[in-house]
Amino acid sequence: AQSVAQPEDQVNVAEGNPLTVKCTYSVSGNPYLFWYVQYPNRGLQFLLKYITGDNLVKGSYGFEAEFNKSQTSFHLKKPSALVSDSALYFCAVRGLPSGTYKYIFGTGTRLKVLA
Amino acid sequence: GAGVSQSPSNKVTEKGKDVELRCDPISGHTALYWYRQSLGQGLEFLIYFQGNSAPDKSGLPSDRFSAERTGGSVSTLTIQRTQQEDSAVYLCASSWSTRGGVYEQYFGPGTRLTVT
Repeated sequence: AQSVAQPEDQVNVAEGNPLTVKCTYSVSGNPYLFWYVQYPNRGLQFLLKYITGDNLVKGSYGFEAEFNKSQTSFHLKKPSALVSDSALYFCAVRGLPSGTYKYIFGTGTRLKVLA
Repeated sequence: GAGVSQSPSNKVTEKGKDVELRCDPISGHTALYWYRQSLGQGLEFLIYFQGNSAPDKSGLPSDRFSAERTGGSVSTLTIQRTQQEDSAVYLCASSWSTRGGVYEQYFGPGTRLTVT
């Protein structure tokens, strides 16, 4: 069965410091991996995705994520955090279709960037 | 262009009543998803439509939940005989055809359902 884990409910980081939001997954076959962000009082927005190819994926707002097949991880990173990055972040996975194209989302990690 | 819209934005209903939630996807998007977001629970997949194919209903929590998509566009999620545990934010998302590739989903603002 497909699953996604975001082990941290909340991550605090000082503005200007690098940030990492963790995600691990379990799927049969090669995964399609996504990160979405939910700003306060706004809908979920797509940040980036990994389908195949280069393990380092770059996305919106300066975010990037590294696909690590051996560790089944897809951690979200940013070299220098901004206060405006404070939001709720969701990792999602879609495995090879076995008659379904549904996505499994993690429980979310709240990022708080402190000025 | 216009994004995914959902209505109503908020719905308060009494336990036992039926409710209908509406989703207007982005024009041209043939894939449509419904999710439920409860506090601290992340997003729970409910149902998925792709074009004229039979929907994937595997996430619907009970037979009180149903959804339809008319004309390959607008979708309605219906909850019959609402219970307090149905209280949540219901999110709709659409994307380009999942048959042709792997595309990101565009989410609507959600409908906050409160069952009293």
